Amino acid sequence: KAGVTQTPRYLIKTRGQQVTLSCSPISGHRSVSWYQQTPGQGLQFLFEYFSETQRNKGNFPGRFSGRQFSNSRSEMNVSTLELGDSALYLCASRATQTGPIPTGELFFGEGSRLTVL
Amino acid sequence: DAKTTQPNSMESNEEEPVHLPCNHSTISGTDYIHWYRQLPSQGPEYVIHGLTSNVNNRMASLAIAEDRKSSTLILHRATLRDAAVYYCILRDTGNQFYFGTGTSLTVIP
Repeated sequence: KAGVTQTPRYLIKTRGQQVTLSCSPISGHRSVSWYQQTPGQGLQFLFEYFSETQRNKGNFPGRFSGRQFSNSRSEMNVSTLELGDSALYLCASRATQTGPIPTGELFFGEGSRLTVL
Repeated sequence: DAKTTQPNSMESNEEEPVHLPCNHSTISGTDYIHWYRQLPSQGPEYVIHGLTSNVNNRMASLAIAEDRKSSTLILHRATLRDAAVYYCILRDTGNQFYFGTGTSLTVIP
């Protein structure tokens, strides 16, 4: 089974530009979540999508947005880039399960490393 | 506020057991305790999770304190491939994962 695929792996942007990152989840996984990883803040949750709907959102400004398509692929967009947005952006997919208690593990991609100059 | 607290770094000799501690004093009754690890230049990978009882799998064991305010990940025989950053995470019923800053494990040959 193919893993979570993120594109592009590396990219360089300048302040003020916008960027779109893509994530293809494991086949059959309907939940996709995004994380930002920086040396100072560690891993921080951005948002989660399930069946094209945003279910959870972390504490990030509105410049960070995302969406999910009917095939479960997801994109995240960052507008008006700032230097502090330089980070590794990780996507994770999860197999959903029935019942009120979520237990499915996350499967992470290798990330998209964004550098803002 | 960080929901979990872990030591920044630990060292272990190869082939010896490693006990990685985690404090989560504000855990709620329905939060699951998850452990993930991140090898260099890779995304995190699942290690183990539990709710109240101790858990074992092929990778590790998870010991959960009776009051659930702390837990310990146990690697029974550390290998060089176990060198990674280990994250102790709480997962709530809303399925939000709260990652701490993790423990960087160095395995000494």
